[in-house]
Amino acid sequence: EVQLVQSGAEVKKPGESLKISCKGSGYSFTSYWIGWVRQMPGKGLEWMGIIYPGDSDTRYSPSFQGQVTISADKSISTAYLQWSSLKASDTAMYYCARRRERDDAFDIWGQGTMVTVSS
Amino acid sequence: DIQMTQSPSSLSASVGDRVTITCQASQDISNYLNWYQQKPGKAPKLLIYDASNLETGVPSRFSGSGSGTDFTFTISSLQPEDIATYYCQQYDNLPRYTFGQGTKLEIK
Repeated sequence: EVQLVQSGAEVKKPGESLKISCKGSGYSFTSYWIGWVRQMPGKGLEWMGIIYPGDSDTRYSPSFQGQVTISADKSISTAYLQWSSLKASDTAMYYCARRRERDDAFDIWGQGTMVTVSS
Repeated sequence: DIQMTQSPSSLSASVGDRVTITCQASQDISNYLNWYQQKPGKAPKLLIYDASNLETGVPSRFSGSGSGTDFTFTISSLQPEDIATYYCQQYDNLPRYTFGQGTKLEIK
């Protein structure tokens, strides 16, 4: 079964760092881009960036450039999203999703990781 | 940057109704548009790709059309399990993606 499994919910304080993960299985992880999508509470979907695990080529939305870092470890089929200093406004659900090359659709989604930042 | 304007933002309809959602791009995006369904508390699910192609396993009551700047998503006969928020999404070859604001669909 093709799937993306994300790490569990996190509760952090402002200023703390965080790295969440997205592990792929059931397909060639290095052959598909993995994107990250933010959904703030009660709001819509926002594309953050995307990485190609085969060579770690990474692209960011201008809205998120410099705010987060996307990385991948192809040896363990895992992509990451990290913050060096969290803010309360980073509170959101974060999804990873696999990009299907033939039509640029996100065809497989992780279950989401809820990040709560509160003092 | 390409902007996507999705409407309406919310919609109430009865079981069996035909439901239509529109998405307008700020510039020509050819057929580079996908549609997703997100049920409460769940991850989004791909329904339509390249504007009009039904994803495998998705019921045929869902359809999409359009090209250029104007796109339409239709549910031909609304079912109770279709209650969700629907999003359009455009893409370019950067790759770069933009989602519409979403349409929350409720049963009347």
